[in-house]
Amino acid sequence: QKEVEQNSGPLSVPEGAIASLNCTYSDRVSQSFFWYRQYSGKSPELIMSIYSNGDKEDGRFTAQLNKASQYVSLLIRDSQPSDSATYLCAGTDFGNEKLTFGTGTRLTIIP
Amino acid sequence: DVKVTQSSRYLVKRTGEKVFLECVQDMDHENMFWYRQDPGLGLRLIYFSYDVKMKEKGDIPEGYSVSREKKERFSLILESASTNQTSMYLCASSSADNEQFFGPGTRLTVL
Repeated sequence: QKEVEQNSGPLSVPEGAIASLNCTYSDRVSQSFFWYRQYSGKSPELIMSIYSNGDKEDGRFTAQLNKASQYVSLLIRDSQPSDSATYLCAGTDFGNEKLTFGTGTRLTIIP
Repeated sequence: DVKVTQSSRYLVKRTGEKVFLECVQDMDHENMFWYRQDPGLGLRLIYFSYDVKMKEKGDIPEGYSVSREKKERFSLILESASTNQTSMYLCASSSADNEQFFGPGTRLTVL
């Protein structure tokens, strides 16, 4: 099993709907998790970090972490065409400065 | 505002040349990272540094070296560029919370 796994997509969602992006992880990256957005030709941009079980909301974004089931998800409410990008999930463990990245899910918001 | 800058956005070099890529961060972060990103392969860690003059190999260090003489600056060196090092190179920095912030990237082409 890869340490961080994401469905590569593409995931297509109508404008205004909720986009749901999922990520599963192994025991080696089980402490802290991060969601990055990457537009084509640009560098990754941090949009959410989550460290404990449950939900964390920031504007239209909600990150959900379930350590028992080893998954982390990102919900985007009221999806906009500007949300069309590749979303990278990353995780790390205690005392480890390095992040392990998934290969990303390409999201397209259809107007 | 968090800022990571890279010396060039685009670079074209010839096979066998020595190439220097520089990264500067203004956030007083302890950790700095060099990645390359290729289609279908995701982000791959080349080297990272957790302190001045300290460095550790990442997943793909072969053909690369690094230098960190000052806290804010982390350089990636391609000793003898080869065509398979054509890629997007991304620098990032983080502090103890492991939130990594990326520079804009350098797209290197080796002819």
